[in-house]
Amino acid sequence: EPEVTQTPSHQVTQMGQEVILRCVPISNHLYFYWYRQILGQKVEFLVSFYNNEISEKSEIFDDQFSVERPDGSNFTLKIRSTKLEDSAMYFCASSQGGQGAEKLFFGSGTQLSVL
Amino acid sequence: GDSVTQMEGPVTLSEEAFLTINCTYTATGYPSLFWYVQYPGEGLQLLLKATKADDKGSNKGFEATYRKETTSFHLEKGSVQVSDSAVYFCALGISGGYNKLIFGAGTRLAVHP
Repeated sequence: EPEVTQTPSHQVTQMGQEVILRCVPISNHLYFYWYRQILGQKVEFLVSFYNNEISEKSEIFDDQFSVERPDGSNFTLKIRSTKLEDSAMYFCASSQGGQGAEKLFFGSGTQLSVL
Repeated sequence: GDSVTQMEGPVTLSEEAFLTINCTYTATGYPSLFWYVQYPGEGLQLLLKATKADDKGSNKGFEATYRKETTSFHLEKGSVQVSDSAVYFCALGISGGYNKLIFGAGTRLAVHP
């Protein structure tokens, strides 16, 4: 069964450093997403991406965040200058269509720890 | 705004016990409702869904009914197994919202033999 792959599974960084979280969506999917979960809190939507541009973003997704599809297979989330409060599990997801959330496939997540 | 509230865990049960995990929601419009499951070391997997009031979603022995009058979508299973140990997330999908899901905080279930 096709799956969404995220690397690394764990990332530790120093406050103020830049981090890039990587995702390989399912190959024929066109819509890509990032969600995050701070420990003990809810899973939160960050951003959706289609046709090489952001289609929707949450208020969490400020200027410190950016997303990119640098080639035909990867989808990345960059945090330019990490803060302690960015520590969370980050989930990538993809879907073939833009509607019908039951067709959303999630990766296993990257646990980001900012020290 | 739209939100989901689910019961806090952990929930600890013996094998073959009955499971209920409560989930209530607040939403404008007509959302779809979902239960996702995360097994250790794996991603979020869709467990079941319901797209309109009174729909019942079911999968792997789990069931949940979309109750508009009580704004609830409680997850139930008649007889849990050790292999059901996981974190369960209730979520709502905003209609027209590009697969934007609003999640609850998750409920960890531990089933002992």
